[in-house]
Parts: sequence; C-alpha cells; structure tokens
Amino acid sequence: GQQVMQIPQYQHVQEGEDFTTYCNSSTTLSNIQWYKQRPGGHPVFLIQLVKSGEVKKQKRLTFQFGEAKKNSSLHITATQTTDVGTYFCAGASGSARQLTFGSGTQLTVLP
Amino acid sequence: GAGVSQSPSNKVTEKGKDVELRCDPISGHTALYWYRQSLGQGLEFLIYFQGNSAPDKSGLPSDRFFAERPEGSVSTLTIQRTQQEDSAVYLCASSSRGTQSYEQYFGPGTRLTVT
Repeated sequence: GQQVMQIPQYQHVQEGEDFTTYCNSSTTLSNIQWYKQRPGGHPVFLIQLVKSGEVKKQKRLTFQFGEAKKNSSLHITATQTTDVGTYFCAGASGSARQLTFGSGTQLTVLP
Repeated sequence: GAGVSQSPSNKVTEKGKDVELRCDPISGHTALYWYRQSLGQGLEFLIYFQGNSAPDKSGLPSDRFFAERPEGSVSTLTIQRTQQEDSAVYLCASSSRGTQSYEQYFGPGTRLTVT
C-alpha cells in the first residue's frame, strides 16, 4: 500500500531560524495536503498542492510539490513561537478520497 | 454546525467494556473519516465513509472495531471488549464533495483511556 515518509521526526530551532520538513511518497500522488496540529489540539488544514512542481506561499510558509509528484516540502522562514506544533503531510493517489498521513514533524521554537 | 463535533471529549473505561464514540460532521459533508492517534504519534487511518457506505474499512485494527453512518451524517465508532492498547485519541474528520479539494476538517477528538 501507499506509504508516506516524513523527516525529520523532531526539530528544535531558535526563534528566527528557518525550518524545513520533507515528505516522500512511495507512489505518485494526485495531490498532497499539509496540516498543522498545535499541542493538545487537532490537525488543521494548511494547504493543498495539485500540480507538478507547484509552489505556494502563505506569509512565511512556502510549500513545494516535486516534479514527479512523489515528494513535497514545507519551509518556514524566520520561525516564531506561534509556529510550534506538529506538521503533517498527507497524500492522495488517483481519484481516492482517502489521505495517507506522514508521521509528522514536531517543531519546537526556543525563544 | 460550525465545525466537526465529537462526543464524549474524554472517556475512561475498564478493560473489557464496550465504548461508543460519536462524530457529527459539518453539515453537507459527504465524506467522513475516523483516525486514531496515540500519544506523540501520527494519524492511523481506521475507516472512511462516503455517504452511508464505507468503501474502505482496511484500517480497522480488529473485529472488535465497528463503525456505522446509517443516514450519511452522524457516525459512531464502537469498540467492543476494550483493551489497554485501544487507549488513544480518536479523531473524526469530514470533507465535502469537491472536484479536487479534499481538505479534511477535524473534530477535537475523543480521548479514550482503558484501565
């Protein structure tokens, strides 16, 4: 079955440093989504990427979808303490409505 | 409603008892998903409903787990003869019938503790 790997599992950064998490799928994806889960909270949708090579930006967050549609990354510029949480990628194949979630990257931002 | 709701928010039960977890999706959302999340872990897919049918039950861990959505709205997840390894947060999510956007909206979860 489809597998989605995400690295790193944990990341500690000083406030103001950049942060990147990477996602790799064992199969070609039709789309990839990113979610953020704050400590004690539930996952919240951030963005969806559909096109090969697509890049989307949300303020300090930059999302990329690889040319082969098998990998993706989330980059945060100049982290803030409000960025703390676990970031999950989730991929779908074909016309499937089901998402396969990565294991997540837990980000800690030290003030 | 404004969002996905789940009840109860917390449930403590004794090993061997049955529990029923409820999910109210966003009104009009046709797809509903159940996930399980153990402490500090990722999301484990359990089951997916499209309307009142379940095209994919592959994630259910054992035959002690049963889920239904008889009228295509509210869903219940029943765990029979609970075991300690069933302790986790059970998350429900719903999504609308879109063309390409299948973003999922999650509820707050039910924290299940089996003692």
